[in-house]
Amino acid sequence: DVKVTQSSRYLVKRTGEKVFLECVQDMDHENMFWYRQDPGLGLRLIYFSYDVKMKEKGDIPEGYSVSREKKERFSLILESASTNQTSMYLCASIPRGSSFEQYFGPGTRLTVT
Amino acid sequence: AQKVTQAQTEISVVEKEDVTLDCVYETRDTTYYLFWYKQPPSGELVFLIRRNSFDEQNEISGRYSWNFQKSTSSFNFTITASQVVDSAVYFCALSEEPLKAAGNKLTFGGGTRVLVKP
Repeated sequence: DVKVTQSSRYLVKRTGEKVFLECVQDMDHENMFWYRQDPGLGLRLIYFSYDVKMKEKGDIPEGYSVSREKKERFSLILESASTNQTSMYLCASIPRGSSFEQYFGPGTRLTVT
Repeated sequence: AQKVTQAQTEISVVEKEDVTLDCVYETRDTTYYLFWYKQPPSGELVFLIRRNSFDEQNEISGRYSWNFQKSTSSFNFTITASQVVDSAVYFCALSEEPLKAAGNKLTFGGGTRVLVKP
């Protein structure tokens, strides 16, 4: 079974804090993605990576950065958290070139106060 | 640019009623893939179906069926004889040719919340 895990299910942080969201997959997938989910907006792509140390901006990268030092791990970083970054964050992975479904982690619900 | 529209934000039905979720997409690619995912209250996204742009056959899986019409750029999803366990948010999504650099990233619709009452 493909497994995508995320470091926390729930997280509460203060405005201005640096926040790390971790995602690990165990299926040797090249491509990894970070999405943000907000009511009525669906999931929107923040960043993706198709190889170690490679990253590409998605549709809403502002206020975020990412790190991919190892193939199995893809981290999302909020340099200075703001209240408008309160959201559900989902990580996903898929083999490079695959047209099949992405495998999603359970999500991290982040609240910034 | 790709776009997926799910016009229905919320649908409420009584158990055993049928419910149809609409999905309309936009893409310039001739090769693309369409997906439906279910997100139950637990929050995890559950993959339901994938369809490529060259296969317009409708599909049925138990109480679920999908109607893909390229002429209207629609990929609608019907739940027959709904059950309380079908209560969830359902997302339609689109990806382009996967052999393009990171081509398999997904564009999601806004989701439709389905509430099935006993």
